[in-house]
Amino acid sequence: DGGITQSPKYLFRKEGQNVTLSCEQNLNHDAMYWYRQDPGQGLRLIYYSQIVNDFQKGDIAEGYSVSREKKESFPLTVTSAQKNPTAFYLCASSNRFYEQYFGPGTRLTVT
Amino acid sequence: DQQVKQNSPSLSVQEGRISILNCDYTNSMFDYFLWYKKYPAEGPTFLISISSIKDKNEDGRFTVFLNKSAKHLSLHIVPSQPGDSAVYFCAASAHYGGSQGNLIFGKGTKLSVKP
Repeated sequence: DGGITQSPKYLFRKEGQNVTLSCEQNLNHDAMYWYRQDPGQGLRLIYYSQIVNDFQKGDIAEGYSVSREKKESFPLTVTSAQKNPTAFYLCASSNRFYEQYFGPGTRLTVT
Repeated sequence: DQQVKQNSPSLSVQEGRISILNCDYTNSMFDYFLWYKKYPAEGPTFLISISSIKDKNEDGRFTVFLNKSAKHLSLHIVPSQPGDSAVYFCAASAHYGGSQGNLIFGKGTKLSVKP
């Protein structure tokens, strides 16, 4: 079954700790994305990558970092510099910028 | 400044009737528009799209209409079913220098279909 997996579904961390969210796809898509969703808000782009070993900042990249060492994987690290890290994080992939396919999301809670 | 606006945070419709979800945009460079459906605690799923060269695209119960002069698009669901209850996001992108730009999402409209 082709798709995008994100793990874990729920993640809890203490303030001041870095945390890495996993995103894997087996759709053979070139491009991958990370979005953040807050209550009553749309999806806001954090980082995106169009090819392996290359990535670009989105609209709200501060306090986040990514890597793209493999086509299938695009992990997101939420650093202690992110002021409001508690949110629902969504990973997506596409072969073009048209239809993006989303993973199930990770709910991160930082206390 | 919001480039894609969904001005109705919520919409309630009776089962079997038509649901109309609206979306306005400000960037005249947008040339591709998409609708996504999202259930709570799940990722959005792609529903339907439309290119700016068209003014209508239909897929089963779902039809998207595009009015370029008004910078407005709408999603019609006919007939509405309780399983359609979800948050619907409108998204848009523009073509720049040979490649398509990032998707810009609206804030979503929560549709409730009552039995």
